[in-house]
Amino acid sequence: EVQLVESGGGLVKPGGSLRLSCAASGSTFSSYSMNWVRQAPGKGLEWVASISTSSSRIYYADSVKGRFTISRDNAKNSLYLQMSSLRAEDTAVYYCASRHCTDGVCPFDDWGQGTLVTVSS
Amino acid sequence: ERVMTQSPATLSVSPGEGATLSCRASQSVSSNLAWYQQRPGQAPRLLIYGASTRATGIPARFTGSGSGTEFTLTISSLQSEDFAVYYCQQYNNWPPWTFGQGTKVEIK
Repeated sequence: EVQLVESGGGLVKPGGSLRLSCAASGSTFSSYSMNWVRQAPGKGLEWVASISTSSSRIYYADSVKGRFTISRDNAKNSLYLQMSSLRAEDTAVYYCASRHCTDGVCPFDDWGQGTLVTVSS
Repeated sequence: ERVMTQSPATLSVSPGEGATLSCRASQSVSSNLAWYQQRPGQAPRLLIYGASTRATGIPARFTGSGSGTEFTLTISSLQSEDFAVYYCQQYNNWPPWTFGQGTKVEIK
């Protein structure tokens, strides 16, 4: 089990940028694939981005491709999401979530508490 | 992309009664299906994976079943802490990892 704590959310204007962080503790961070999942106010869950243990495989949802960048620093037990060209529809609570498997076929085991990003002028 | 469809959108249940939630995949996801519980103001929590395996610490009143395209989450004898929103998710074909739209279980 890994404990996850997100930070970096806040209010940003349309077209602006923001960097989210997720600090991990309690287990070997480098052995977990990591993900960002978001939830717009009153809506369901939407997967945003995923990064493998060694950062060799990175995937994005079509809705954020070209605007968001996921990265990780295993030495710092940290996950990041650099968000740029932000739009009102990016307003959401952003969760980091871990996956722990060798073949990639596994659920999202542990979740952070989330950080709210609001895009508004 | 696998589209996940949950029904019903809202389920009204009295405490102590049972509830049955459904999830359908647009194409087969084998048994690579998870259920998550989200209580108000909280992060999602993994309940069931592999369609029927309870995650660590999940009570036995939660039962998952199904394979292929049809899945069910059954909650027997609902407790106060079970009133929440439940999401199914497929992790068989990715990216993207896709979630259903959720079923809200509310107090009747």
